[in-house]
Amino acid sequence: NAGVTQTPKFRVLKTGQSMTLLCAQDMNHEYMYWYRQDPGMGLRLIHYSVGEGTTAKGEVPDGYNVSRLKKQNFLLGLESAAPSQTSVYFCASSYVPVNEKLFFGSGTQLSVL
Amino acid sequence: DAKTTQPNSMESNEEEPVHLPCNHSTISGTDYIHWYRQLPSQGPEYVIHGLTSNVNNRMASLAIAEDRKSSTLILHRATLRDAAVYYCILRTGSSNTGKLIFGQGTTLQVKP
Repeated sequence: NAGVTQTPKFRVLKTGQSMTLLCAQDMNHEYMYWYRQDPGMGLRLIHYSVGEGTTAKGEVPDGYNVSRLKKQNFLLGLESAAPSQTSVYFCASSYVPVNEKLFFGSGTQLSVL
Repeated sequence: DAKTTQPNSMESNEEEPVHLPCNHSTISGTDYIHWYRQLPSQGPEYVIHGLTSNVNNRMASLAIAEDRKSSTLILHRATLRDAAVYYCILRTGSSNTGKLIFGQGTTLQVKP
């Protein structure tokens, strides 16, 4: 099993450009999450999804959009990138029961110039 | 959302036990306590979780207070590879919206 796969691993954007980060999981998990992590800080929740076709806002959703058209994929979009969105982005997934653990991807390093 | 509070940083010597505390005074009866750690330049990984009883696995032990308002992650013999950020989070059982807030975590330094 590949687990949770994030693509791309690195990306450099210019201010105003758009891009989509892909998170794919092969464990048939219902829940999927997008977090960002800035230097010296913890993980902050951007958006999450509790199932195919559903999304919800997290702590810092502004400037991002998400879609979950297929159960295994959770896409994070930046429509007009800003330097403040320079960060490391992590995707995670899990089964519904709260005694189930989270699985994380290896992260995407995004720089917006 | 039930929140957790952890110290920003802790230090330990190699091969000594480490006790990482977490306060969760607003925990509800069906909330599970989860611990994750994040090694440098990696994604977080699962360490351990529990509900009421103390738990042990090959990585660590989890001691949960009787009133469940606090817990402690115990690394029995710290190694240099245990230097990481440790996160304590609650997975809410009563009204499970799926939302998961992590917070800052505790940065553990291990000295040789």
